[in-house]
Amino acid sequence: GAVVSQHPSWVICKSGTSVKIECRSLDFQATTMFWYRQFPKQSLMLMATSNEGSKATYEQGVEKDKFLINHASLTLSTLTVTSAHPEDSSFYICSALGDRQGDYEQYFGPGTRLTVT
Amino acid sequence: KQEVTQIPAALSVPEGENLVLNCSFTDSAIYNLQWFRQDPGKGLTSLLLIQSSQREQTSGRLNASLDKSSGRSTLYIAASQPGDSATYLCAVRHSFGNEKLTFGTGTRLTIIP
Repeated sequence: GAVVSQHPSWVICKSGTSVKIECRSLDFQATTMFWYRQFPKQSLMLMATSNEGSKATYEQGVEKDKFLINHASLTLSTLTVTSAHPEDSSFYICSALGDRQGDYEQYFGPGTRLTVT
Repeated sequence: KQEVTQIPAALSVPEGENLVLNCSFTDSAIYNLQWFRQDPGKGLTSLLLIQSSQREQTSGRLNASLDKSSGRSTLYIAASQPGDSATYLCAVRHSFGNEKLTFGTGTRLTIIP
């Protein structure tokens, strides 16, 4: 199956600093990528949808100036958490939409655990 | 608004048993449905993808069925193993392209050795 990687797998940062998370589709091109966050024992919450070469579409309640998303190429999307605070600590998961013969199957990365101290 | 429900929320069965996980959705106008598993602290692994025109898909010990008209899908796991313990999520997509998935509430499965 298709592979999506995320880097880093975990990160600890101090309050007020910014953190960048990378998401790559390794063996396919993804015009669309999604960013989710997940709190313990809860389901995934979609934060934004990004399309290559255009601005991301954010879900209601997600601050676009705080969570900067850049989908620079067909295999790379980045999420930057700016001026991080402890309440931003969470598990962030990216996903890439693959289109093989119109199947539109969504593949997920392994996640990045962010801890803000 | 599409709502996806999974029953039961949690399930424990002895190793070796066959089991069925259920997924229901309120809007039958879907493009496809995916079943995922999530291990604690990990991302999601895609298990099976069923297009709206299909009735079932099989992969190894897993079989997923889809009854679009009644808004139901089931995931059948044969000869369960302790390694099958995880949270299982179903998700539906409404149209081709980049429209987001709507996730179910999940079933936490524990296989007892």
